[in-house]
Amino acid sequence: GENVEQHPSTLSVQEGDSAVIKCTYSDSASNYFPWYKQELGKRPQLIIDIRSNVGEKKDQRIAVTLNKTAKHFSLHITETQPEDSAVYFCAASKAGRRALTFGSGTRLQVQP
Amino acid sequence: DGGITQSPKYLFRKEGQNVTLSCEQNLNHDAMYWYRQDPGQGLRLIYYSQIVNDFQKGDIAEGYSVSREKKESFPLTVTSAQKNPTAFYLCASGQGGDEQPQHFGDGTRLSIL
Repeated sequence: GENVEQHPSTLSVQEGDSAVIKCTYSDSASNYFPWYKQELGKRPQLIIDIRSNVGEKKDQRIAVTLNKTAKHFSLHITETQPEDSAVYFCAASKAGRRALTFGSGTRLQVQP
Repeated sequence: DGGITQSPKYLFRKEGQNVTLSCEQNLNHDAMYWYRQDPGQGLRLIYYSQIVNDFQKGDIAEGYSVSREKKESFPLTVTSAQKNPTAFYLCASGQGGDEQPQHFGDGTRLSIL
């Protein structure tokens, strides 16, 4: 089955700096890659997603890039703010089996 | 999302007892999913359903059962066979097509008494 690896497990940045979280996936048939943000004790919230026919997608301070050849995708957060502090999860799914396989998460801490 | 309701928020299970977690959605989504989250870890798929009266096992289905008798409802039963049920259980729904986002409910936190 699909395996998604996520790095780093923890990331600390200064407010205003950029943060990058990377994920690799094993199943070349995967075609949908969402990113979720989860605050302590809360539900995961979808922040951005990318489909396999697109190489990059941006939404304000958040961007995601996808390299299908290398089977990896990354989340980029620019101008980080303290409210960006949370756990971020990447995930992958493929046609047919649409359930998500999640990475293990990255705890991002933005220092004011 | 306001359209996915999980209940109860907290649940305690006695040894040997089956408990059922409720998940209801009013988003008219075809697909529904159950995930388990252990402290400090990612989400793991328990069961999913892409259409009424049909469901498939996920990666950690042992000790769990589900039903999908109505489009809007996908209850999860944690049976006594699940020896380590303490976790945060999250239900999600989606339109069910390929490359469609899933949105989560607020979760149920299950603990052993």
